[in-house]
Amino acid sequence: QSALTQPASVSGSPGQSITISCTGTSSDVGAYNYVSWYKQHPGKAPRLLIYDVTNRPSGVSNRFSGSKSGNTASLTISGLQAEDEADYYCCSYTSISTVVFGGGTKLTVL
Amino acid sequence: QVQLVESGGGVVQPGGSLRLSCEASGFTFSYYGMHWVRQAPGKGLEWVAVIAHDGTNVYYGDSVKGRFSISRDNSKNTLYLQMSSLRPEDTAVYYCARVDEWPAGCVYWGQGSLVTVSS
Repeated sequence: QSALTQPASVSGSPGQSITISCTGTSSDVGAYNYVSWYKQHPGKAPRLLIYDVTNRPSGVSNRFSGSKSGNTASLTISGLQAEDEADYYCCSYTSISTVVFGGGTKLTVL
Repeated sequence: QVQLVESGGGVVQPGGSLRLSCEASGFTFSYYGMHWVRQAPGKGLEWVAVIAHDGTNVYYGDSVKGRFSISRDNSKNTLYLQMSSLRPEDTAVYYCARVDEWPAGCVYWGQGSLVTVSS
């Protein structure tokens, strides 16, 4: 169960769009449409942003969107805002019925 | 409102045991699968284990398999994580989370319980 691969950090200016990638294998990301994304502020519990690759829970802004191609999933944040600065984690179901997280990406809003 | 409250964390020596609890309220606990997820200080999220709504299916991460056991008591609305043969690398904040969108979409999380494994 190797962790999914995310960039350690990304940055963008207010109003811009950024994309965070999440690369797995054909046994996790590539096998199912069960990728979710979480946002976490330091010292706080994670918050669900996206589930099943593209779906947003109630209350999550439509500035957040998800996609997947092959073994790589992506989270796009459009209209970047200062409050988006946080750590972001992807998460996938696997072929052995387990769950694996990505290493996390620190988003800096310049 | 939905609440998940972890308890049972603390300091334990290497090789020791500890049991975490997660008390649920504000929803019908027996309807939902539950995860344990941990986060070592300054590190990322690591999935620990999941249990089905009725306790019939459980799965574990490689790093805890054979040492940790997830269980639940639906009559007490409580989730458990029995941890044994603890190692310093098990030091982390342990979160319980409700499976709202199977298999890993968790809207509701507890506040976390810190486990420190140290001599």
